[in-house]
Amino acid sequence: DTGVSQDPRHKITKRGQNVTFRCDPISEHNRLYWYRQTLGQGPEFLTYFQNEAQLEKSRLLSDRFSAERPKGSFSTLEIQRTEQGDSAMYLCASSLGHGTGALGAYGYTFGSGTRLTVV
Amino acid sequence: GDSVTQMEGPVTLSEEAFLTINCTYTATGYPSLFWYVQYPGEGLQLLLKATKADDKGSNKGFEATYRKETTSFHLEKGSVQVSDSAVYFCALSESFWDNNDMRFGAGTRLTVKP
Repeated sequence: DTGVSQDPRHKITKRGQNVTFRCDPISEHNRLYWYRQTLGQGPEFLTYFQNEAQLEKSRLLSDRFSAERPKGSFSTLEIQRTEQGDSAMYLCASSLGHGTGALGAYGYTFGSGTRLTVV
Repeated sequence: GDSVTQMEGPVTLSEEAFLTINCTYTATGYPSLFWYVQYPGEGLQLLLKATKADDKGSNKGFEATYRKETTSFHLEKGSVQVSDSAVYFCALSESFWDNNDMRFGAGTRLTVKP
């Protein structure tokens, strides 16, 4: 297992276009998270999945954002009608969680992120 | 809500200097505390963690002690190297069992000069 993979690494799009990002977590991790990071800031939570179920969504996640994890493995994050304010690094992370038999505070394993630039 | 506050950067040190990056937290319960590091062009990596008061997390020469009385989790290293140049993030998770609510500070950029 090579860790958490994100694709693409960089995406430049025109305002109003739709974009989709993909995340492949560590295979034995049942939790998958999406975060957004802007320059000079820490990651901000967007949403997370346990297996295929989306259990929590941040208020940051407007109606233009949608995330899926159809088979409990990889996940996609789609942004419709992109705006310049959507420009950021989108980070995916995975972890062990409830139901795996794992107990305790496990840190997350992050991917390298997808940098989105909306022009 | 739960949050962490880190000292503002950037921090610039000479090689072999002592490092402290301050982190304080606000939480209603008993959070687990973490430090992550982000090297240029890479994702965040877990550096160390502590899950209860007086626990000390350590890794790669870095240490942080969970201080409940001062609600702090300061990161320290006795002798920094150029390779330690990165952005460091303090984080907390309120839920010990589920760990599904990681919240991050704004990050502190460290530059170590030879």
